[in-house]
Amino acid sequence: KAGVTQTPRYLIKTRGQQVTLSCSPISGHRSVSWYQQTPGQGLQFLFEYFSETQRNKGNFPGRFSGRQFSNSRSEMNVSTLELGDSALYLCASSLTGNDDSPLHFGNGTRLTVT
Amino acid sequence: GESVGLHLPTLSVQEGDNSIINCAYSNSASDYFIWYKQESGKGPQFIIDIRSNMDKRQGQRVTVLLNKTVKHLSLQIAATQPGDSAVYFCAENYGQNFVFGPGTRLSVLP
Repeated sequence: KAGVTQTPRYLIKTRGQQVTLSCSPISGHRSVSWYQQTPGQGLQFLFEYFSETQRNKGNFPGRFSGRQFSNSRSEMNVSTLELGDSALYLCASSLTGNDDSPLHFGNGTRLTVT
Repeated sequence: GESVGLHLPTLSVQEGDNSIINCAYSNSASDYFIWYKQESGKGPQFIIDIRSNMDKRQGQRVTVLLNKTVKHLSLQIAATQPGDSAVYFCAENYGQNFVFGPGTRLSVLP
């Protein structure tokens, strides 16, 4: 079974631009979560989608948004990029997104904002 | 307030020795816990999980212990190998999402 796939692996953008990251979950997994990982803050929860609906959201500004498609694939978008948005963005999928199934992570998209 | 920055604790062990990585979790209502391993350039990889109705669970070369009284989780790795070198995170299921600890870097010495 293929794992979680994230594209692209690396991105370099300039301040003020916007970016879209893509995630394909493990086949059969309906929940997709996004995390931001930085050396300073560790792994921070962004949001979680299930059946095309955002079920849960972390404490990030509205510049961070996402969506999920009917095939469970997900995208996240960051608008008006800031230097502090430089991070590894991780997508994780699980069967249900509830406390009975673990998260399975992709290898992330490394975003650098200059 | 905001955290100034995470200082990642490091555990150095000799190859072949046992490793014990500790984690304090925050919410006494958390009922599901996972240990992840993250190697350089990769995403976190699931190692083992445990539910709050258990206090111990064993996998291949790994054991997780849960002490709910003091909100403490530990990961034991038997006969540590060079391939075990990585950052290890504990995660607790809190509400409807997982909250991750700051991580511990495990360094295996030859």
